[in-house]
Amino acid sequence: DVKVTQSSRYLVKRTGEKVFLECVQDMDHENMFWYRQDPGLGLRLIYFSYDVKMKEKGDIPEGYSVSREKKERFSLILESASTNQTSMYLCASNQGGSRETQYFGPGTRLLVL
Amino acid sequence: GEDVEQSLFLSVREGDSSVINCTYTDSSSTYLYWYKQEPGAGLQLLTYIFSNMDMKQDQRLTVLLNKKDKHLSLRIADTQTGDSAIYFCAETDTGRRALTFGSGTRLQVQP
Repeated sequence: DVKVTQSSRYLVKRTGEKVFLECVQDMDHENMFWYRQDPGLGLRLIYFSYDVKMKEKGDIPEGYSVSREKKERFSLILESASTNQTSMYLCASNQGGSRETQYFGPGTRLLVL
Repeated sequence: GEDVEQSLFLSVREGDSSVINCTYTDSSSTYLYWYKQEPGAGLQLLTYIFSNMDMKQDQRLTVLLNKKDKHLSLRIADTQTGDSAIYFCAETDTGRRALTFGSGTRLQVQP
């Protein structure tokens, strides 16, 4: 079974803090994705990576950066957290092209005060 | 860019059929998906359909695709309380790596 894990289920941070969200997958998948989920807006793609050290911006990359130093790990970084980044963050991975199923982690609910 | 739309909420009685609708704008959409999100959990793939198909059935689930109208629907027969969740429609094509998701439809099943 594919397993995608996220480092925290719940996180509370203060405005201006640097925040790291970690995601690990155990199936040697090429592609990894970070989404944020907000009520009424569905899932919006922040960044994705199709190989180690490779990344592409998604639809809403502003205020975020990512790091993929190892194939199994994809980190989302909030350089200076703001209250409008309070959200649910979901990581996903898949192998191959876009038609291949994406497997999701359980999500990290981030609250920025 | 690509856009996917869904209604936000649907309420049905246990035992009835549920129909969740989705429209998309990208005429090159090749792969269309339905994901389910239970409370406090990530998304799991329910079913998918390719653009060269009109219908796909999988136990209680029926997916209908109308390519002309760019309309996708998910029918759940004999809806149970365990089907209460948020259902996301998503699409992509071979030229892209990522999915475009709709806003999600919250299905509430009344006993």
